[in-house]
Amino acid sequence: QVQLQESGPGLVKPSQTLSLTCTVSGGFISSGSYYWSWIRQPAGKGLEWIGRIYTSGSTDYNPSLKSRVTISVDSSKNQCSLKLSSVTAAETAVYYCARYTGYPTDAFDVWGQGTLVTVSS
Amino acid sequence: QSALTQPASVSGSPGQSITISCTGTSSDVGAYNYVSWYQRYPGKAPKLMIYGVSKRPSGVSNRFSGSKSGNTASLTISGLQAEDEADYYCSSYRISNTWVFGGGTKLTVL
Repeated sequence: QVQLQESGPGLVKPSQTLSLTCTVSGGFISSGSYYWSWIRQPAGKGLEWIGRIYTSGSTDYNPSLKSRVTISVDSSKNQCSLKLSSVTAAETAVYYCARYTGYPTDAFDVWGQGTLVTVSS
Repeated sequence: QSALTQPASVSGSPGQSITISCTGTSSDVGAYNYVSWYQRYPGKAPKLMIYGVSKRPSGVSNRFSGSKSGNTASLTISGLQAEDEADYYCSSYRISNTWVFGGGTKLTVL
């Protein structure tokens, strides 16, 4: 059974770059037709899709974040990474890693528990 | 403000049925049958409950069902149980390879 675990600094200063890692266990990140996604949830608000990367390396990003986001995969470490630059306090949120499975599911079928990132000086 | 609109809270007594709505636009919910629903307990990972508007993953109780009409999708939970008390989120594919989510609905079992 595939499991995802997010990790990274819990505190980031405003204007700096947020960097998180999602470690995949129970399966290989580069196998199968999966997209590895990042989703976040600020306190008291809904979920927001940040972006995703396919096993081929192609990416899709939320248009509102596209200029500041980079998602990458390191197959040797079985990890997916998120980098979000120039963060502000409003981006304090729980960040989730999720696997998106294509046809016929076409949904986020495996999630990590999430990691809280606070943006504050 | 979330891209998809859900009621902030719903409640029901054990054994009853409840429905959670998820309203989008003609660019997401109304245009595609890629609506999914997620259950999340506090501090836990979200769990896929419904995909493709109305399909249930293996292991999900048949008390959970989904539907869609126009720009609004719905999740219905029948025979409400105490263990159903959780937060529920809807999601939909939107044009140009993006995904949107709802603000979430807190279900209280009275």
